[in-house]
Amino acid sequence: SYELTQPLSVSVSPGQTASITCSGDKLGDKSASWYQQRPGQSPVLVIYEDNKRPSGIPERFSGSNSENTATLTISGTQALDEADYYCQVWDPPSWVFGGGTKLTVL
Amino acid sequence: QVQLVQSGAEVKNPGSSVKVSCKASGGTFTSYAVSWVRQAPGQGLEWMGRLIPIFGLANYAQTFKGRVTITADESMNTAYMELSSLTYEDTAIYYCARAIFGVVNYFDYWGQGTLITVSS
Repeated sequence: SYELTQPLSVSVSPGQTASITCSGDKLGDKSASWYQQRPGQSPVLVIYEDNKRPSGIPERFSGSNSENTATLTISGTQALDEADYYCQVWDPPSWVFGGGTKLTVL
Repeated sequence: QVQLVQSGAEVKNPGSSVKVSCKASGGTFTSYAVSWVRQAPGQGLEWMGRLIPIFGLANYAQTFKGRVTITADESMNTAYMELSSLTYEDTAIYYCARAIFGVVNYFDYWGQGTLITVSS
């Protein structure tokens, strides 16, 4: 079965850029999505189709996907961006999630 | 604005079954898939299965095959997930999500989650 690997944790200072990676075999051939999950809340879609932002998601969230790695980038990181982030792909006939990355803003 | 409203928390005995509902308001499941995802305490997201109501097509993650059934009542805009033969390891928050499927695939809306506790 297909596997996605994310770092367990990433730390960033307020106002700096955070990058969260998601690795998988030939991941660039698939379409990656990213979800933000704040403590005690449901996941929220922040990036779909590798680099598209849903309505209401700030422009500081961006995504890319090439070869074996998809990356979620948060520019000008704010305290409210502290959360768990999950990548996801469709690998027929299943959806697959990465293990999640805890983003700490300190 | 689409909202997915799930049924409330439950405590179940080992070996029993649980059925969780997910009602869509401000939108429907027509032309979408509905998926169920669970999250054990302190753990990540785990996809369980999906149903495409318009096709009546369901498929399940290998981990749950034979134990999970996803159904929908389109007239009520409600989807259901039933999990049988519960063990303590099934204690988790269960989420429904509306899924875009086809050329692109992602979950655009999520329910608020339902905590299922398996305890004797």
